[in-house]
Parts: sequence; C-alpha cells; structure tokens
Amino acid sequence: SQQGEEDPQALSIQEGENATMNCSYKTSINNLQWYRQNSGRGLVHLILIRSNEREKHSGRLRVTLDTSKKSSSLLITASRAADTASYFCATDAVNSGYALNFGKGTSLLVTP
Amino acid sequence: DGGITQSPKYLFRKEGQNVTLSCEQNLNHDAMYWYRQDPGQGLRLIYYSQIVNDFQKGDIAEGYSVSREKKESFPLTVTSAQKNPTAFYLCASSSGKGKQFFGPGTRLTVL
Repeated sequence: SQQGEEDPQALSIQEGENATMNCSYKTSINNLQWYRQNSGRGLVHLILIRSNEREKHSGRLRVTLDTSKKSSSLLITASRAADTASYFCATDAVNSGYALNFGKGTSLLVTP
Repeated sequence: DGGITQSPKYLFRKEGQNVTLSCEQNLNHDAMYWYRQDPGQGLRLIYYSQIVNDFQKGDIAEGYSVSREKKESFPLTVTSAQKNPTAFYLCASSSGKGKQFFGPGTRLTVL
C-alpha cells in the first residue's frame, strides 16, 4: 500500500532558489527515506531519518520529521538544473519486515 | 564495480506469454525487492526476499512469481495471468532495514 503522499505533485523553480517538498504518512514508522529518480532511471537514495530524529542534513539537503503530525519535508537549497528529477518519500512501517512504502512523488523542474 | 543490474532494459511481450526479468547484485545483500512503477505513480511492491530460498508477497503479487535460489539473483516472472503488465519494473537490494539500492529498471511493453 502506498502510505506516503508527497506534496506538491509538481514544482517548478529557477536555479538558485530553494525547493521544499512535503510527505505525509499514515502509520507508525521506524524510519523515513527520500529517494530521487531521473526520468526513466532507477531510484537513488538521498537521506534516511530515523523516527527518533527531528532533522538531518546532507550537503544541500535538509530533512525534517514530525512524528506527531506524521509528516516530513525535504528542502533542497540553492537548486541547480541537475536537481531536476522526481523525489519520493518512503516509509518503513513498524512490523512490516523489510518492505518500504513509497508515495507518488514530487516532480521537480529547475530551470536555468 | 559493485552494484545491481537488471536485464533486459526493454522487453516486449505478446499476450499469453510468460517473460522473466533478471536482477543480479554483487553487493552481498541479503534482501532483494521487486517494484512496479506506472506512469506518474510511485513504486508498488510486488515481492521481496529477506534470505535465500525465502520470499514474501507484496501488495500486488498476483500474476507474478519469483525465485531466490542464489543470494545474488532474484528473477521475476510476469505470467500470462497478469492482465496489465505494461510498466517499469525496478529491482532493489539492501543489507536489511534501511537504504535500498536500485537497478536501472526494465521497461515491459505488451504488444
């Protein structure tokens, strides 16, 4: 089942601007991950945040997690044209074994 | 060069045919997964395997079958029972819970 839901579905910004994507989920989780997918390619793991963490940084990426609201956000600072891709959140639900539940993704377009 | 590979990149199936998609990894991961992605959609889990000779159904297993005879390999067969198989199929592996590594995908089209 697709537990995560990203918002917005599509986002268009100019290079240098920040991009924020949100993810909401339904059940208790062990961790939440963000992945990136370039058109027609496989997914690439960006960052993982555990349920007991509130914020995590990796380069130009900042992820927050609010377990009380069952939501997460991904911020990409100083966007580049190369950041153009689809971004997915994935949740690892408690007692789900190894399976991840993916949302439908946010399609990000960064124009020069 | 470690990683996860899928073949073929493109696959065409006639109605009533079974086809098998290959997935191989040399990352020494115990867990492997198959996902299906439809246009504009997220990934849906077909099957996953946590260890050799064991696998579990995901959310959309009907019309698909898998085997896990070797740690490195997790082939997916799309059977004739799968009525709408046209999609992008992604294989992934992991060392356990957490980060998954994805292959480049196979695009299956029914003729």
